[in-house]
Amino acid sequence: AQSVTQPDIHITVSEGASLELRCNYSYGATPYLFWYVQSPGQGLQLLLKYFSGDTLVQGIKGFEAEFKRSQSSFNLRKPSVHWSDAAEYFCAVEGYNQGGKLIFGQGTELSVKP
Amino acid sequence: DTAVSQTPKYLVTQMGNDKSIKCEQNLGHDTMYWYKQDSKKFLKIMFSYNNKELIINETVPNRFSPKSPDKAHLNLHINSLELGDSAVYFCASSQGAVNEQFFGPGTRLTVL
Repeated sequence: AQSVTQPDIHITVSEGASLELRCNYSYGATPYLFWYVQSPGQGLQLLLKYFSGDTLVQGIKGFEAEFKRSQSSFNLRKPSVHWSDAAEYFCAVEGYNQGGKLIFGQGTELSVKP
Repeated sequence: DTAVSQTPKYLVTQMGNDKSIKCEQNLGHDTMYWYKQDSKKFLKIMFSYNNKELIINETVPNRFSPKSPDKAHLNLHINSLELGDSAVYFCASSQGAVNEQFFGPGTRLTVL
């Protein structure tokens, strides 16, 4: 069965510092991978996705993620965090021919210190 | 102009009542979903419809019944509400599967 693990429940970084949010997945083949962000009281917004090809994908708001098959990981990175990046971040996986069924990780709450 | 809208935004009700949540998307998508987010922010898919046809039906109690009158609407009806149904329910839509899903703002359901 597919699963997604985000090991960090809560991360605090200083504004301007770099950020890496971890995501590990379990799936028998190459999955489709997503990162979504949820601001307080809001719905989810897609940051970026990986389907195939270049393993380093660029997203919105200056985020990027790297797919590493050998580590079953899809970590999210940003070189310089802004206070407005404070939010909940979800990694998700969709398997082949799953009809759009996203399996989400537990989420990582990001706090940004001034 | 809202891409995916849900009504109501908040719903407070007593145990045993029946309630509905409505979802509409104006993106022209053919696939719509319902997700449940619990108090620990864990998100789990409940249902999905493609062109008004039920595609995904997770292990959800029979008290939950989705209805898709057309491609732009997917409503969720819940019978005999229980305390454990308290959660935030998100509607989403996409053009086919394996594509970006656009989420609504959520409906916070509180069962007393």
